[in-house]
Amino acid sequence: DTGVSQDPRHKITKRGQNVTFRCDPISEHNRLYWYRQTLGQGPEFLTYFQNEAQLEKSRLLSDRFSAERPKGSFSTLEIQRTEQGDSAMYLCASSLEAGGKQYFGPGTRLTVT
Amino acid sequence: GQNIDQPTEMTATEGAIVQINCTYQTSGFNGLFWYQQHAGEAPTFLSYNVLDGLEEKGRFSSFLSRSKGYSYLLLKELQMKDSASYLCAVRGANDYKLSFGAGTTVTVRA
Repeated sequence: DTGVSQDPRHKITKRGQNVTFRCDPISEHNRLYWYRQTLGQGPEFLTYFQNEAQLEKSRLLSDRFSAERPKGSFSTLEIQRTEQGDSAMYLCASSLEAGGKQYFGPGTRLTVT
Repeated sequence: GQNIDQPTEMTATEGAIVQINCTYQTSGFNGLFWYQQHAGEAPTFLSYNVLDGLEEKGRFSSFLSRSKGYSYLLLKELQMKDSASYLCAVRGANDYKLSFGAGTTVTVRA
């Protein structure tokens, strides 16, 4: 069990550019969640997967955001045409099953200049 | 939707006890979690309550009253390393996603 990993840990990009983040969940965890956290706030739910199926997307997730989990293992979160308001920590979590404890990765801190 | 409230900040002395309260109003409930988050790091799991009562785990205990929509996290024998943000999170009944409060920043002073 190597824990949830995320890459990159930090990303600085200019407004209007596209960025992609990767999350590798704990092996055999079939649930994967994406959250966004801004300074002084708790994480906010963005979307989650059961294996490769994306089951729910938050209203926070505009059309510029897309997430995939093509083989039911790692997941990617892409933000197109980034805006300064997208600056945040993007956290990934996984759980063994629907009712299981969620383990968080270290996060990707995005700064849009 | 979910509405989760917890105090913004608390300060306590090393060796003391601190109690962090969390109240929630939710459209569905399937458990309440407490996470610890140090600055710039990921949240780490502390405790989980799904039934009413007290769960004790070492220096940390968590209490839940579902009828009152209330939980607290009790930190005993505070250590300097306990200075962190403590997040209260409610899990939804059907989707199992977590809804977090804004977090309580605890500062432990020598």
